[in-house]
Amino acid sequence: AQSVTQLDSQVPVFEEAPVELRCNYSSSVSVYLFWYVQYPNQGLQLLLKYLSGSTLVKGINGFEAEFNKSQTSFHLRKPSVHISDTAEYFCAVSEPGGSYIPTFGRGTSLIVHP
Amino acid sequence: GAVVSQHPSRVICKSGTSVKIECRSLDFQATTMFWYRQFPKQSLMLMATSNEGSKATYEQGVEKDKFLINHASLTLSTLTVTSAHPEDSSFYICSAQGQEVNEQYFGPGTRLTVT
Repeated sequence: AQSVTQLDSQVPVFEEAPVELRCNYSSSVSVYLFWYVQYPNQGLQLLLKYLSGSTLVKGINGFEAEFNKSQTSFHLRKPSVHISDTAEYFCAVSEPGGSYIPTFGRGTSLIVHP
Repeated sequence: GAVVSQHPSRVICKSGTSVKIECRSLDFQATTMFWYRQFPKQSLMLMATSNEGSKATYEQGVEKDKFLINHASLTLSTLTVTSAHPEDSSFYICSAQGQEVNEQYFGPGTRLTVT
């Protein structure tokens, strides 16, 4: 069975500062990894995904994530955040060849202060 | 890109009544849709997998007689909360599987409040 741990429930940061949202996963097989963003009272929007190939994945809105197999991590980064990045961020994992239904982490609330 | 809509976006109903939530894939056909429930400040909990033309597969602990799911066409799945109670108040989100099985497109969610 797969699981996802988002180590930080809340990350406050000032505008234009860099940010890293941490995600660790556990799985006995190879994985697909995802980051989603959820703005208040809205559904989830895919930021980026790792399926295979390059371990550095670039997504929308200037976000990127790096798949580190040895550390079983998929941390999300942005070099300079904006107020509009304030939202809930979810890491998710699914197993290729299985049901493909992702397992979500509990979410990290990114709060960008002016 | 793939768009999924949900209707209504918000609904308030009285305890004991039933509420139907619609999930539509607007520009693609989805043989598989998923229904999630999200409590405040928590992650998404998968309730059931809905396959077009067949019975939904419910996750452990989800009452299938309370949360009725119908997937009558390739673009529409419905979730009916029967005999709703205040504890059913939540944010319900659907998603539709795209052409690639690892792709899911999420709807904007429905906020259900049972008074």
